[in-house]
Amino acid sequence: KQEVTQIPAALSVPEGENLVLNCSFTDSAIYNLQWFRQDPGKGLTSLLLIQSSQREQTSGRLNASLDKSSGRSTLYIAASQPGDSATYLCAAQGMDSNYQLIWGAGTKLIIKP
Amino acid sequence: GAGVSQTPSNKVTEKGKYVELRCDPISGHTALYWYRQSLGQGPEFLIYFQGTGAADDSGLPNDRFFAVRPEGSVSTLKIQRTERGDSAVYLCASSDPGRNNEQFFGPGTRLTVL
Repeated sequence: KQEVTQIPAALSVPEGENLVLNCSFTDSAIYNLQWFRQDPGKGLTSLLLIQSSQREQTSGRLNASLDKSSGRSTLYIAASQPGDSATYLCAAQGMDSNYQLIWGAGTKLIIKP
Repeated sequence: GAGVSQTPSNKVTEKGKYVELRCDPISGHTALYWYRQSLGQGPEFLIYFQGTGAADDSGLPNDRFFAVRPEGSVSTLKIQRTERGDSAVYLCASSDPGRNNEQFFGPGTRLTVL
């Protein structure tokens, strides 16, 4: 059974720093891996999707990597801004026919001005 | 709009009552998912539709929960005899299996059972 873990649960850094959020998964047989952002009381915004055949995806200041062999994905945020403060969740999509997402509990990120 | 919409955004009900939560997916997306998210946790899978049929309902917690998608577009999640433990944010997502199956989420419905 797939399990997804995110460490740390919370992170606070000064504005301008580069940072890395970690996501690990136990079953390497994934279809893809998605990173989401969730603001308090809001829904989920998809940030990046990495197909199982890919190793990384980039969007603006965000870069996500995928290493299936080690069961790890990282989300790199460059030059952090206070507006990046949110909870970041990763989710692995299984190879099962239903393609359901298995989620980590998220990392709550606070960027201090 | 072009995104997934959910109504109502908030629902407060009393224990034992019946509620319906609605999801309107992105036009053309054949796959539709319901998830439930409790405070401080990641979402939890409930049910998956491909077209009109529930392809996988293994995440529904018990028989008080039921969902339909009669015309392959709008879906309704129905909860009978609500309990306080049902309080959560209910999220709906849709995807196009022919385009990498990326799931797009609605804003959610916050259900509070008093």
